[in-house]
Amino acid sequence: DTGVSQDPRHKITKRGQNVTFRCDPISEHNRLYWYRQTLGQGPEFLTYFQNEAQLEKSRLLSDRFSAERPKGSFSTLEIQRTEQGDSAMYLCASSFLGNTEAFFGQGTRLTVV
Amino acid sequence: SQKIEQNSEALNIQEGKTATLTCNYTNYSPAYLQWYRQDPGRGPVFLLLIRENEKEKRKERLKVTFDTTLKQSLFHITASQPADSATYLCALGMDSSYKLIFGSGTRLLVRP
Repeated sequence: DTGVSQDPRHKITKRGQNVTFRCDPISEHNRLYWYRQTLGQGPEFLTYFQNEAQLEKSRLLSDRFSAERPKGSFSTLEIQRTEQGDSAMYLCASSFLGNTEAFFGQGTRLTVV
Repeated sequence: SQKIEQNSEALNIQEGKTATLTCNYTNYSPAYLQWYRQDPGRGPVFLLLIRENEKEKRKERLKVTFDTTLKQSLFHITASQPADSATYLCALGMDSSYKLIFGSGTRLLVRP
């Protein structure tokens, strides 16, 4: 399967713990995005990379959130000191330079207990 | 304030009919608008893109219109099938950013 891959699919963690999610985009895609989606809502933009450069961050991305794309390939999203309000589906998407159509992964569902 | 509104109530129609979903926006000037389909527990899947200078786009049984004066897009599925049952999301795109701004989606149920 050459689609966007996210790992893990599900994560349950205790409040205050750190979690890290991984996203492997479609291999020739330069752009990578992270979104967060809660039940009954559409995805909300978190951050965007073009190759390894993080070019845009949402104000939703508090200082507990950090994202990296070290070699312009896969990306990680880390949440430190998780809170119950962080419970959501975290979606990764990628697109090809010059194309705005985004290809989404299956998401990582985070539950903070 | 800036808003994107999609019908929060589910749209329930009979198989074979045309489904029409609405996306209205306020205080945005999008360069383009996209429609995505999302099934439960899965990521959104891209369906169609329409640019601000286009009035209508078609792809198989799908049709999208874009009225920048009314600040509205309509999404039509003709000859609907039970397999079309899903949540449909509209998303705005701006020239100044590559992020998409999504509405909350409308759930479509097609009865056999």
